[in-house]
This record gives sequence, C-alpha cells and structure tokens, in this order.
Amino acid sequence: AQSVTQLGSHVSVSEGALVLLRCNYSSSVPPYLFWYVQYPNQGLQLLLKYTSAATLVKGINGFEAEFKKSETSFHLTKPSAHMSDAAEYFCAVTLPPSKLTFGTGTRLQVTL
Amino acid sequence: EAGVTQSPTHLIKTRGQQATLRCSPISGHTSVYWYQQALGLGLQFLLWYDEGEERNRGNFPPRFSGRQFPNYSSELNVNALELEDSALYLCASSDRDHGYTFGSGTRLTVV
Repeated sequence: AQSVTQLGSHVSVSEGALVLLRCNYSSSVPPYLFWYVQYPNQGLQLLLKYTSAATLVKGINGFEAEFKKSETSFHLTKPSAHMSDAAEYFCAVTLPPSKLTFGTGTRLQVTL
Repeated sequence: EAGVTQSPTHLIKTRGQQATLRCSPISGHTSVYWYQQALGLGLQFLLWYDEGEERNRGNFPPRFSGRQFPNYSSELNVNALELEDSALYLCASSDRDHGYTFGSGTRLTVV
C-alpha cells in the first residue's frame, strides 16, 4: 500500500520568503504524486501532479515540486510567498486508477 | 468545462436520520471517489465507483453506502446518523489521464 508523510503540520513564512512544504512517500513501485491546496470551507484544488514524466513539475500559482526517487520525496516549493498562499496543503499518492491516499496536511501561514 | 458538482452545499440532520449526498462528475470521467474530512481526522477515503461498480471501500461501517448511476453521477448515503458523522464530504472524479478533480464538498452537520 502507498502512503505519504507530511513533515510539519504548521509552517510559517514571511511574505516574500521561500515556501518549502515537505512530503515523503512510500510505494513499492513508482507512484503518481499530487499536491492539493484547500482554502477554508472549500474543496481541494490541484496544484500539480507527477505522473512519471519530468521529475521537476511546475504547477499553478508559481508552485513547483521535484520527484526524488532516491530520497522518496516530493517537496513543494515556491520562491516567494504571498499572503494569498495561506491555506492548507495536502500531498497525495496513488497507483492509478486507485484512490488517492493523503497526508495529514500542512497549514501554511504567511506573515507580513 | 463544468467541474465536479456536489449538492447540497450544506445539510443539517438529526441523529438517527439518513443523509443523501450527490455528486456529478466532470463530463467523460467514469470514476467517482468519496472522502470524509472530519475535524482533526484528515481526508479519509470512503468509496470508489467506476463504470457503475463499487471498486474499493474505506474503513467505514456499512451504514455508509452509495451507488453510481449510468450517467456516472453518484450518491453517498449515510444511515443512522451519529454526531461524529459531522464532516465535510468531498467527491472527486478522475479521467484517463489520472487527474483527480474535487468538488466543493457537502458540509454535513448532525445535531
């Protein structure tokens, strides 16, 4: 079975600072990996996905993630945080077309 | 292109009653997934339907059930509601490119 671990349930950064949200996966075969964002009282919005093509994946809103098989990681980064990035972020893993398995989420706070 | 549509947006039920939640997938998507997001419990997988069949089920009691219709829309039924069933219920649909798109959810409150 696949699983993901998100390190840090809360991350706080200053506006303009680098955003780094960590995700490590466990899978016996190369999986598909996803990052979603959730704003309060809303559903999940897909930021980006890794589907065994390019290891560096660019997503929406300036986010990107790099698949590193040797480290079993899929960390999410953004060079410069904006106030509007404050939300909860979820990493997920699957072997399609099976269900997504989510991490516990990381709440990102952006301060002035 | 219309996204995944869930109805109702909010639902208030009394303990012991039944709740029915609905999901319309993106046109062309044949798979529908249901998740429960209860406070402090993260995103828990409930059910997966594809081509009208239940393909997988999460660790939930049998009073959580559902079905998928010929047009690929889906219903989630929760019988004998308990207070701890209060949560945001999210539906997602998937295409052949394995993109999972979520709806905005149904907020179920059991009182």
